[in-house]
Amino acid sequence: AQSVTQLGSHVSVSEGALVLLRCNYSSSVPPYLFWYVQYPNQGLQLLLKYTTGATLVKGINGFEAEFKKSETSFHLTKPSAHMSDAAEYFCAVNRGGYSTLTFGKGTMLLVSP
Amino acid sequence: NAGVTQTPKFRVLKTGQSMTLLCAQDMNHEYMYWYRQDPGMGLRLIHYSVGEGTTAKGEVPDGYNVSRLKKQNFLLGLESAAPSQTSVYFCASSASGRVYNEQFFGPGTRLTVL
Repeated sequence: AQSVTQLGSHVSVSEGALVLLRCNYSSSVPPYLFWYVQYPNQGLQLLLKYTTGATLVKGINGFEAEFKKSETSFHLTKPSAHMSDAAEYFCAVNRGGYSTLTFGKGTMLLVSP
Repeated sequence: NAGVTQTPKFRVLKTGQSMTLLCAQDMNHEYMYWYRQDPGMGLRLIHYSVGEGTTAKGEVPDGYNVSRLKKQNFLLGLESAAPSQTSVYFCASSASGRVYNEQFFGPGTRLTVL
């Protein structure tokens, strides 16, 4: 069965600091991996996704993630945090078959001035 | 395009009452999904549909029913609401069954069951 573990329910950084949000997955099929972001009182929107090919994936708003099969990880990074990055971030993996996803429990990113 | 819309945005029910949440999408997507979001639990799939007239169970289907009579609409019903169904409900849609397709989410419905 496919599953996702996000390490840390809350991550705090200062504005301008590196953002690192961790995601590890378990999958019995070749994984497709996603990061979604949820701003307060809104639905989720896609940040980036890994399907096949290049293991370093670039997304919107300066975020990127690297697929590491040997570590079963798909960590999300951004070199310099902005106040506007404060949101909840969800990692997800495909469940196989139809395009249903299994989501992690989310990591709330807090950015301080 | 409005994308994915959900009606209503907020609702308060008493235990045992019934209600229907409406999801509509104008992107001509084949696949539609209903999730619930609870603090510390992430999103969990309730039911989904791979096309008009078809529905399937997700991770947490008990206490919910769904219908997809029209391609653009996906309804989620609670026949007899329970306090455990207090949650934020999100609808999503995607173009097809390819697992790498992006899911587009609605703004959510916040439901409280007293």
